[in-house]
Parts: sequence; structure tokens; C-alpha cells
Amino acid sequence: GAGVSQSPSNKVTEKGKDVELRCDPISGHTALYWYRQSLGQGLEFLIYFQGNSAPDKSGLPSDRFSAERTGGSVSTLTIQRTQQEDSAVYLCASGYRGEQPQHFGDGTRLSIL
Amino acid sequence: RKEVEQDPGPFNVPEGATVAFNCTYSNSASQSFFWYRQDCRKEPKLLMSVYSSGNEDGRFTAQLNRASQYISLLIRDSKLSDSATYLCVVNGSMGGGADGLTFGKGTHLIIQP
Repeated sequence: GAGVSQSPSNKVTEKGKDVELRCDPISGHTALYWYRQSLGQGLEFLIYFQGNSAPDKSGLPSDRFSAERTGGSVSTLTIQRTQQEDSAVYLCASGYRGEQPQHFGDGTRLSIL
Repeated sequence: RKEVEQDPGPFNVPEGATVAFNCTYSNSASQSFFWYRQDCRKEPKLLMSVYSSGNEDGRFTAQLNRASQYISLLIRDSKLSDSATYLCVVNGSMGGGADGLTFGKGTHLIIQP
């Protein structure tokens, strides 16, 4: 069946521009996570959505980062005024509940020039 | 103390050998535990869940020690294709989202011919 879908798969943009990354979770999954992974590093938690509850934004590194999840399904991660240190792979994962295994998308590779 | 800690390695192991690595977690209330595998430049994928009584899946054995708050992964008769980063995942820790999952930074395993 369809897995977690992320788009774009690659994004190259200039410093200072805004970017929007999209995640389409597996149908029926109520939990959705955003992570980022810099080259050779572990996963860095960014934000977590669970059903209709207020999202856990504790991992967002700055106020330039925000995320929405519309209708409990598709999520967008927005990075404003991008900086070079924002370059990373941004991974989305979904699951049935917060503590259950997560299924990851292929990620968006973001490069800030 | 970090929420989920792993030895980053790399562990260089000859093909056919047995290798084991541990992961420690700080939240004694954690209930769900998993091992994920991540290949280079790929997304993490669930390898196996870790059950209280320990569990085995082919050449892989996972164990949980609640008293000492660690989980382990043992790989027998290692194959070249086992080369990857193995991520320890624990639920209920801060930084992973409320009731969500926290990923360790991973242990890098290299199986040598």
C-alpha cells in the first residue's frame, strides 16, 4: 500500500528564501512527526502532531520554523528566511498512535546556498 | 543525561561474527521499545520491536532490561548487508513529543568481508 509521501524530494534554494515541505502520511495514521537529519548525524525531533491535540513544538529550533497539519492528514513544514545551517534531510513519519512504530517517508533533501 | 544513548561506533566486525550493542534510556516509565535500521542516505525503517521477555527474528535478538534501563540488539552470523546504522527508539521521553518516540543517534555497524 501507499507509504508516507514527502515532496519535494530535493530542494535547493538561496539563503533568505522561504521553503515549504510537504508530508502526506499513511491514511488513518493519527500521529505525525517531523525530524531533520544533518549529514552523518542522528535524527533531530522537530514537531509532533497527534490527532486533534495541540502539536508538540518543543523541537523546533527557532521561530523561523512552523508546521501545520490540515484535517488531520497532510502536513506542511515551513522554514522562513532560510539559513545555511538549515541544510539537512527533513524526514516525516506517521503512525497509528504516538508510541507505536513510525513509518518514514523518503525525506526532503534541503540545500541552502 | 541524554534521553536515549547509544555508542555511535563504528563497530567493525568480520562477516559471520556475532555483534551486540546496547542502548540506555532515562525514562523509567517508557513502555515501548524498538530497533530501527537506517542505511546510508535512506530513511529509518523498523527492524523489530523489543518485548519484555526478549524476542528473536531470524539472526536478530532483542532484549530489554527494565531494571538497568537498557535494550540490546544481537546479530548472529553477520552479513555484509547488515552494515547500517541501528537506531534505538524509546517512547515517552521528552523531546520526542508527548507520548511519542525518541530516537537515539544510532550505532554505526560495518561488516567487513
